[in-house]
Amino acid sequence: DGGITQSPKYLFRKEGQNVTLSCEQNLNHDAMYWYRQDPGQGLRLIYYSQIVNDFQKGDIAEGYSVSREKKESFPLTVTSAQKNPTAFYLCASSMYRGSGEKLFFGSGTQLSVL
Amino acid sequence: EDQVTQSPEALRLQEGESSSLNCSYTVSGLRGLFWYRQDPGKGPEFLFTLYSAGEEKEKERLKATLTKKESFLHITAPKPEDSATYLCAAFLEGTSGSRLTFGEGTQLTVNP
Repeated sequence: DGGITQSPKYLFRKEGQNVTLSCEQNLNHDAMYWYRQDPGQGLRLIYYSQIVNDFQKGDIAEGYSVSREKKESFPLTVTSAQKNPTAFYLCASSMYRGSGEKLFFGSGTQLSVL
Repeated sequence: EDQVTQSPEALRLQEGESSSLNCSYTVSGLRGLFWYRQDPGKGPEFLFTLYSAGEEKEKERLKATLTKKESFLHITAPKPEDSATYLCAAFLEGTSGSRLTFGEGTQLTVNP
């Protein structure tokens, strides 16, 4: 079955540590996204990518970094510069960005700080 | 500033008790309004897209409608398995490009 796979399901970060969240899709979608979800708030866009080797900052990119070396993969690194990283992180994809296409979401990664 | 607001924040219903969730938006250049369902600890699952005022879409016990200012998700005779958080999102296009703005969600609980 086609879909988006996020791993791990749960992740713990120590002070000063960088951690990387994995996102893989086999839907052959061009566009991929990372969102952050906090209780009581709408999903906020961190980064997005429309094609391989290109990505753009979203609304809350500070303290995060991404790469897009393969069409199927869009990992997110939460750096030590992100002072409040505890949240539920969602990866999504769409056929291509800007078309109003629906998003397909992964099952999420819950990141907590030790 | 573009805003998408959902109400109520939380809603408790008895099984079979119909109700509606609201998604109001103050955006210019709306190109589509999306509804998603999210179960605890999981990613949102697509339900509907509405593109123009007056449009309606249905799926089982759910019906989504759209006006120029808001969208409603009507739930008819809900069952406990309809319990979830329902998210709406407005897709718009402006001078700075396209954008998808999410509301905060409505947490629905249906008691047996």
